[in-house]
Amino acid sequence: AQSVTQPDIHITVSEGASLELRCNYSYGATPYLFWYVQSPGQGLQLLLKYFSGDTLVQGIKGFEAEFKRSQSSFNLRKPSVHWSDAAEYFCAVGALNNAGNMLTFGGGTRLMVKP
Amino acid sequence: NAGVTQTPKFQVLKTGQSMTLQCAQDMNHEYMSWYRQDPGMGLRLIHYSVGAGITDQGEVPNGYNVSRSTTEDFPLRLLSAAPSQTSVYFCASSPDRARGGYTFGSGTRLTVV
Repeated sequence: AQSVTQPDIHITVSEGASLELRCNYSYGATPYLFWYVQSPGQGLQLLLKYFSGDTLVQGIKGFEAEFKRSQSSFNLRKPSVHWSDAAEYFCAVGALNNAGNMLTFGGGTRLMVKP
Repeated sequence: NAGVTQTPKFQVLKTGQSMTLQCAQDMNHEYMSWYRQDPGMGLRLIHYSVGAGITDQGEVPNGYNVSRSTTEDFPLRLLSAAPSQTSVYFCASSPDRARGGYTFGSGTRLTVV
């Protein structure tokens, strides 16, 4: 069975600083990988996704993520954080089976932004 | 452009009561899922459906039932509520098996006392 680990429960960065959120996955085949963001009291919004091809993927809101097969990682990055980026971020791996794509989520990383 | 709509947004139940969480999507998506979110555990899959009339269990199905009589609706039933079912519940839909990614509703916060 697949699994996702987000090692950092909380991260605090200063506004304007760069950001990297870590994600490690375990899956026997080529994974489908996703990053979602959740603002307080809201549902999850898809930031970006990786299926195949270029290992550096661009998403919305200036985010990008890099798939590294050798490290089983899919880290999320942003060069300059804005106060509005404060939220919880979830990495997920999609496992295809006969029935469909089941998402397995990591525990989430809560990002706080200092002014 | 409603997307995925969940009702109610908040609910308090007494132990042993039953209720149905509603989920509707207007995007004609075939795939729909229910997740529960608990602190530090991310989201865990309860049940999912790959089309009208087809449902299956996810990771944590006990105590929940689902049905899918139409493409649009995917209600989640709590048969006899327990305090362990206190959680935030999210419904999500996707147009295909993998590539589309899931669109999530805004959630239902359920407290069982």
